[in-house]
Amino acid sequence: AQRVTQPEKLLSVFKGAPVELKCNYSYSGSPELFWYVQYSRQRLQLLLRHISRESIKGFTADLNKGETSFHLKKPFAQEEDSAMYYCALRRYNTDKLIFGTGTRLQVFP
Amino acid sequence: EPEVTQTPSHQVTQMGQEVILRCVPISNHLYFYWYRQILGQKVEFLVSFYNNEISEKSEIFDDQFSVERPDGSNFTLKIRSTKLEDSAMYFCASSADPSTDTQYFGPGTRLTVL
Repeated sequence: AQRVTQPEKLLSVFKGAPVELKCNYSYSGSPELFWYVQYSRQRLQLLLRHISRESIKGFTADLNKGETSFHLKKPFAQEEDSAMYYCALRRYNTDKLIFGTGTRLQVFP
Repeated sequence: EPEVTQTPSHQVTQMGQEVILRCVPISNHLYFYWYRQILGQKVEFLVSFYNNEISEKSEIFDDQFSVERPDGSNFTLKIRSTKLEDSAMYFCASSADPSTDTQYFGPGTRLTVL
């Protein structure tokens, strides 16, 4: 079965420090990977998807098929990055998103 | 920017009662979804809906659940006889074209079954 694993429930860093939120997946086919973010009292929103290969709010993520990973990185964390981050997978030919358990990022001043 | 809306924001019900959760997807979207998140757990897919029929459903989406698009704007999730374990946050989402577009999520309805 397909699965998305986010090993860290909580990641705390100081402002200006690099951030890496880990995401590993299990799926034998070609997945589409996403990062969603949920700021306090706001809805889930897309942060980035691997096929776009863009950088959003300074965040990037590279799909590594060999390691089945899609880690989210930012070189210099900001306080406003504090939020819940969810990695999600979509299999080929289906709409269903499979989410990880999420990682709470806390950025201290 | 258009958004998915959901009502009510919080619903409290007695075990065994029926509840209807309502969603208004973004107006030009054709693909609709329900997800749920039990407190402390991951967001789980329930069902997808396109062209007035269910296109995919999870094993969670059993006979007590149903979805409907009763008019041109609403998309509802009905739980026929609620159980304690149905207590969760229920998210509606919509998409214009899932192969090229993201799913846009609503703010959620918190369902509490007593």
